[in-house]
Amino acid sequence: AQKVTQAQTEISVVEKEDVTLDCVYETRDTTYYLFWYKQPPSGELVFLIRRNSFDEQNEISGRYSWNFQKSTSSFNFTITASQVVDSAVYFCALSGSGGSNYKLTFGKGTLLTVNP
Amino acid sequence: GAVVSQHPSRVICKSGTSVKIECRSLDFQATTMFWYRQFPKQSLMLMATSNEGSKATYEQGVEKDKFLINHASLTLSTLTVTSAHPEDSSFYICSARDVTPRGYGYTFGSGTRLTVV
Repeated sequence: AQKVTQAQTEISVVEKEDVTLDCVYETRDTTYYLFWYKQPPSGELVFLIRRNSFDEQNEISGRYSWNFQKSTSSFNFTITASQVVDSAVYFCALSGSGGSNYKLTFGKGTLLTVNP
Repeated sequence: GAVVSQHPSRVICKSGTSVKIECRSLDFQATTMFWYRQFPKQSLMLMATSNEGSKATYEQGVEKDKFLINHASLTLSTLTVTSAHPEDSSFYICSARDVTPRGYGYTFGSGTRLTVV
């Protein structure tokens, strides 16, 4: 069975602070995919990144960066110099490959509030 | 990128009536679509997986007779909430699996907020 744990339920920071959202996953698949999504108050899910299990390179996209470590089964997300517009719920998700493993398993989400 | 259109975005219906929610993949063919339900301040809960031309696979605890899913074409899946009751009020989100080379894997609709009064 697949499982995604986002231990931080809520995080509150002041604008311009850096913040890291944690994600730990469990899977028996050797090939799998990890995702981060942002859900603003409007409700739609905004895709942020997809990583496959064979690519452990860290990625940076503007103020966003991701640290994928297979050794600790973690896929953490860091926002540098946070802004009020970053306030949202962030979900980490996992999918396998093949058969029913195509289903996305979501973590419970982390509510990030960036205060001015 | 891939786009999934979900309609309606909001619907209010009377208890006992049925509501249909549509999910369309606009620029790609989606052989597999997923339907989620999300309660306030909670995560997305997968309700069912629908494959074009075959019966949907429902997750444990989801009433298939209450939540009818039809995936008759490669670009359209519908979720019908039958005989809706106030406890069915929730945010429903569809997702299509995009296997095109440019795809991100899963593209989500913008969601439907259902209120049953």
